[in-house]
Amino acid sequence: AQSVAQPEDQVNVAEGNPLTVKCTYSVSGNPYLFWYVQYPNRGLQFLLKYITGDNLVKGSYGFEAEFNKSQTSFHLKKPSALVSDSALYFCAVRDISGGYNKLIFGAGTRLAVHP
Amino acid sequence: SQTIHQWPATLVQPVGSPLSLECTVEGTSNPNLYWYRQAAGRGLQLLFYSVGIGQISSEVPQNLSASRPQDRQFILSSKKLLLSDSGFYLCAWRPPGLGNQPQHFGDGTRLSIL
Repeated sequence: AQSVAQPEDQVNVAEGNPLTVKCTYSVSGNPYLFWYVQYPNRGLQFLLKYITGDNLVKGSYGFEAEFNKSQTSFHLKKPSALVSDSALYFCAVRDISGGYNKLIFGAGTRLAVHP
Repeated sequence: SQTIHQWPATLVQPVGSPLSLECTVEGTSNPNLYWYRQAAGRGLQLLFYSVGIGQISSEVPQNLSASRPQDRQFILSSKKLLLSDSGFYLCAWRPPGLGNQPQHFGDGTRLSIL
């Protein structure tokens, strides 16, 4: 079965420092991986995806993610964090078992960027 | 461009009352549609998904039901709400098929049961 793990409940970063939010996955076959961000009382916003090709994927708001097949990881990164990046971040993997296209989400990581 | 609407944004209901939450999508045809529940600002639980009118699949047994009376309309219902139905309900859509397009989410309905 497909699964996604986000090992950190919360990540604390000082503004201007680089940030990393970790995600590992377990899938059969090639993984389709996604990152989403959620601000308070809002829906999830799509940030970026990895399907195939270059292992470094660039997305919205200056975020990028690095796909590492040997470590089965897809960590979200940003070179310089902003206070406005503080939010809840979700990693997800596509699941097409049963013939339907679904996403399996991680439990989420709360990012707190301090001024 | 495509947009997704959910309403109401917040709802307070007594235990035992009925529920109807609505989700509509504009600017696309035959979307895949999804209902999720998010408890305590954390993980998402997939409740229902639909690949077409009248086609509903349920992920978990529960007190809720879903319907898709029109191509771009997805409704979440209950005949009698329980305290455990409280949560943040999110609707999402994506293009049809098994491709690599992401899901796109509405802004959710926060449901409180008293």
